[in-house]
Amino acid sequence: GESVGLHLPTLSVQEGDNSIINCAYSNSASDYFIWYKQESGKGPQFIIDIRSNMDKRQGQRVTVLLNKTVKHLSLQIAATQPGDSAVYFCAYGPYNFNKFYFGSGTKLNVKP
Amino acid sequence: GAVVSQHPSWVICKSGTSVKIECRSLDFQATTMFWYRQFPKQSLMLMATSNEGSKATYEQGVEKDKFLINHASLTLSTLTVTSAHPEDSSFYICSARDFRAPGDTQYFGPGTRLTVL
Repeated sequence: GESVGLHLPTLSVQEGDNSIINCAYSNSASDYFIWYKQESGKGPQFIIDIRSNMDKRQGQRVTVLLNKTVKHLSLQIAATQPGDSAVYFCAYGPYNFNKFYFGSGTKLNVKP
Repeated sequence: GAVVSQHPSWVICKSGTSVKIECRSLDFQATTMFWYRQFPKQSLMLMATSNEGSKATYEQGVEKDKFLINHASLTLSTLTVTSAHPEDSSFYICSARDFRAPGDTQYFGPGTRLTVL
């Protein structure tokens, strides 16, 4: 596969702070990007998506930023809550979903 | 949102046996299903893409004779791990998408934990 990580980096934040999770992708043909949240022992859960014709998209408490020039994607979570603790993955591929790959992931640990 | 189920949720088997994992889309028709595997503390790795009624497309490095995928209907895809060995122990996750429907996301199953003794 395209994305395999040896370990997951961890981001620790205090409850109520903002979190920023980053993702670097390698496939320059990607034009569709999604952030997923995965809790232990469960499948990924959709958070927010963005297409390559945009550089920012906002949802409820979450914002995704896309920088195609440097192939970088970020997820911003406002007022982080303990329930946000999970592993976050970016996923990317062509909009028609012929190939869809996951980034290496970041573990978010929210301290109460 | 749409629901994708997997069965079993976990399975323990002896080395050399075959294990079948089912992936079902419960309230929509999945023209395409994807199979991933995930090792502890690692990301999801795409194994194969299967379209209903046709042969699966496997990613480089994935043995198609070891990981048999069948997508016989619009609501069911199966992954059979043949002659399983301890190194096949992993978390297997499927996802499904209906390309004919509006919207552009895929829905993930809850995963199946395979442990090969």
